[in-house]
Amino acid sequence: GAVVSQHPSRVICKSGTSVKIECRSLDFQATTMFWYRQFPKQSLMLMATSNEGSKATYEQGVEKDKFLINHASLTLSTLTVTSAHPEDSSFYICSARGTANSPLHFGNGTRLTVT
Amino acid sequence: AQTVTQSQPEMSVQEAETVTLSCTYDTSESDYYLFWYKQPPSRQMILVIRQEAYKQQNATENRFSVNFQKAAKSFSLKISDSQLGDAAMYFCAKPRGGKLIFGQGTELSVKP
Repeated sequence: GAVVSQHPSRVICKSGTSVKIECRSLDFQATTMFWYRQFPKQSLMLMATSNEGSKATYEQGVEKDKFLINHASLTLSTLTVTSAHPEDSSFYICSARGTANSPLHFGNGTRLTVT
Repeated sequence: AQTVTQSQPEMSVQEAETVTLSCTYDTSESDYYLFWYKQPPSRQMILVIRQEAYKQQNATENRFSVNFQKAAKSFSLKISDSQLGDAAMYFCAKPRGGKLIFGQGTELSVKP
């Protein structure tokens, strides 16, 4: 089946630094990728939708200058948390699909800890 | 706005017994998909089952089945012969404008 690889699985960074999370579709071309954020014991909250070759669409309340999303190819999307702060510590999950009617495939998530 | 609601934050079931997780949703669409995802402690999102709204027959995947009531906008998940490995967070989800929107989740524990 389709596989989505997310890297790194865990990252610890210091406050004020930036961290990049990668999401790759390994055996299919992902025209659309989604980035979610999940706090402990809570649901997945959609942060943004990225389509290959175009600007990401952010959900209300998500700071686009803080969470930079790039989807430069059909197999790779990146989320960069800029100037990270402790409140950005969370679990970030990407998902990807080929066509609009294709099922969604999830990465294994990234646990970000900002100290 | 379209919402997906899971009213049971936690559920518990005895091993080998049956448990039903509830989900309701709000939509103005007539044709759509509904999904149940499982998130075990590893936090990997696993698709459990999906239902197409235009199909009257309830979807079934081995020990997992749904009770889809379109008029009532209800989409419950039944787990039969519960196993220890079924312990996880379960999320009901529905696409909205091409995006997948999740319910609040139900944490299922399985007692041996």
